[in-house]
Amino acid sequence: KNEVEQSPQNLTAQEGEFITINCSYSVGISALHWLQQHPGGGIVSLFMLSSGKKKHGRLIATINIQEKHSSLHITASHPRDSAVYICAVDRYSGGGADGLTFGKGTHLIIQP
Amino acid sequence: NAGVMQNPRHLVRRRGQEARLRCSPMKGHSHVYWYRQLPEEGLKFMVYLQKENIIDESGMPKERFSAEFPKEGPSILRIQQVVRGDSAAYFCASSPNVVVNSGNTIYFGEGSWLTVV
Repeated sequence: KNEVEQSPQNLTAQEGEFITINCSYSVGISALHWLQQHPGGGIVSLFMLSSGKKKHGRLIATINIQEKHSSLHITASHPRDSAVYICAVDRYSGGGADGLTFGKGTHLIIQP
Repeated sequence: NAGVMQNPRHLVRRRGQEARLRCSPMKGHSHVYWYRQLPEEGLKFMVYLQKENIIDESGMPKERFSAEFPKEGPSILRIQQVVRGDSAAYFCASSPNVVVNSGNTIYFGEGSWLTVV
């Protein structure tokens, strides 16, 4: 079982729909990141969360530390939101450092 | 303030050649991470470096791969005697000088796409 699981793997929706992408993890973490990657493109950090909720424009990210679960929501989705959304956790490794552990990503397509 | 700079963006190498990928972290960042993204797979951690030190290389293949982050100049990921299976996107990320495990914001480069023919 992967330490970071995302669902769904693929999501196709119509423009304007409310989108939710879920991430569950099984390790202790100091923070969780939501990243966006366009095809053939670089990776952009959308959010870094250690508790609660953050909002940036049409994007909202929440995290529940007790349940080890985070969600990324997109309101009023638009075709330009089409991308791969990746959940990544910063593991609490007790003084060590091994970077981020990533989910496999959610391929989102927003159709006009 | 320029972001994380990687070059080359695209690199083609024949089997057996060497590949060198460079990463200049954001100004003021001394923590550099390398990640690999194989086709149709997720990102995987390779190595974490600070200036002149390898902190964690637990994700590096045991042979042919090496990384450095010298006092001056960019971090370099070096792959010797490349094979087709090394074809992937290699991403560099950097974060500021802060205490480990404090949940730093991390910044990614645009990636270097290596194709081995």
